Amino acid sequence: DAGVIQSPRHEVTEMGQEVTLRCKPISGHNSLFWYRQTMMRGLELLIYFNNNVPIDDSGMPEDRFSAKMPNASFSTLKIQPSEPRDSAVYFCASSLNTIYFGEGSWLTVV
Amino acid sequence: TQLLEQSPQFLSIQEGENLTVYCNSSSVFSSLQWYRQEPGEGPVLLVTVVTGGEVKKLKRLTFQFGDARKDSSLHITAAQPGDTGLYLCAGPMNRDDKIIFGKGTRLHILP
Repeated sequence: DAGVIQSPRHEVTEMGQEVTLRCKPISGHNSLFWYRQTMMRGLELLIYFNNNVPIDDSGMPEDRFSAKMPNASFSTLKIQPSEPRDSAVYFCASSLNTIYFGEGSWLTVV
Repeated sequence: TQLLEQSPQFLSIQEGENLTVYCNSSSVFSSLQWYRQEPGEGPVLLVTVVTGGEVKKLKRLTFQFGDARKDSSLHITAAQPGDTGLYLCAGPMNRDDKIIFGKGTRLHILP
């Protein structure tokens, strides 16, 4: 199995630009999670889906963040407009019973 | 408020020494998980503990779940440089799939 696949691995963008992060979960997994990791705050859960339905988005920082899961094999996390404080590593993870993480998308907003 | 508090935040020890890191909460968890994360990668699950008082061993790593299911510890015997990494504990909130993480213990084993 290819594991959880995230893209892009690295992105540097200017403040105000739209950022779209993509995730392909492991086939057969029914839950998908988006986390953000920073040194200061650690690994924070932003939103998670179960069977493609958003269950809890209370961790989404503000309206600039949105996430979608149009089908069982694809999810996006969008930031519009991006700000320097959004710089972090964004992880997508999927699970059936055990959570498996992707390698992360390293976002830098300048 | 951090629901899972990990200590110490940083630990640097010599190869061959033993160490213990902790994960504490004021809340009861149905299970706790330990992950290791290496630079540039996502966290990888090491173990899940479910029963209060449970002890699980993974080679030189020993994981224990507290009797009240509010805390857990990870003990490493004869640490090796390959043990270097960020150790995270995690658990489900409110009996659902929402998994929250502690901030982790950053472990560095000096050769």
